[in-house]
Amino acid sequence: DAGITQSPRHKVTETGTPVTLRCHQTENHRYMYWYRQDPGHGLRLIHYSYGVKDTDKGEVSDGYSVSRSKTEDFLLTLESATSSQTSVYFCAIRGGLAGGTDTQYFGPGTRLTVL
Amino acid sequence: QKEVEQNSGPLSVPEGAIASLNCTYSDRGSQSFFWYRQYSGKSPELIMSIYSNGDKEDGRFTAQLNKASQYVSLLIRDSQPSDSATYLCAVMGSARQLTFGSGTQLTVLP
Repeated sequence: DAGITQSPRHKVTETGTPVTLRCHQTENHRYMYWYRQDPGHGLRLIHYSYGVKDTDKGEVSDGYSVSRSKTEDFLLTLESATSSQTSVYFCAIRGGLAGGTDTQYFGPGTRLTVL
Repeated sequence: QKEVEQNSGPLSVPEGAIASLNCTYSDRGSQSFFWYRQYSGKSPELIMSIYSNGDKEDGRFTAQLNKASQYVSLLIRDSQPSDSATYLCAVMGSARQLTFGSGTQLTVLP
């Protein structure tokens, strides 16, 4: 268990509404990531953070923003949700545990449906 | 061309057989390679990491890496029904980001 929680675990929302997903970690890891997973595409990186207030874009960042005001929390915001953002969202941390410093460990995921 | 490609599957093997999962990657600067297992509706969990050419064994699992051929594989010996899952290959490229393949769905038949 990498000490990662995500909230909410499930959410249904309507097109055009803002949505914020939260990732919380208890192990003081510097690097945190947000991915989305869709059938046929595997996991794709949305944004990542390498420290408090330090974030950068990933492969599929359009329509998403992130914030990290504390080491333990990494927030993903959909400013105006669209149906194409219906997906399963995973948060991950990097490093520590038994897998070496490059290894990423995943939270339980959030299933988001945009109607 | 996708950066990380896996044999698309689905793959079915009988219980007790060897399951072979394959992955190729395009970034020659890649240094770290990972196999994750993902059960339906769950998050990916790390099975193996490998950094050097050759084989790395952990219980029933063996990861094989050939950087010259840009190829990484996972062998599962004595496959069990509990091994039925989707297996994800992930490669850390020269930009220090993980890129995932689309996954191979494995079914082990009792």
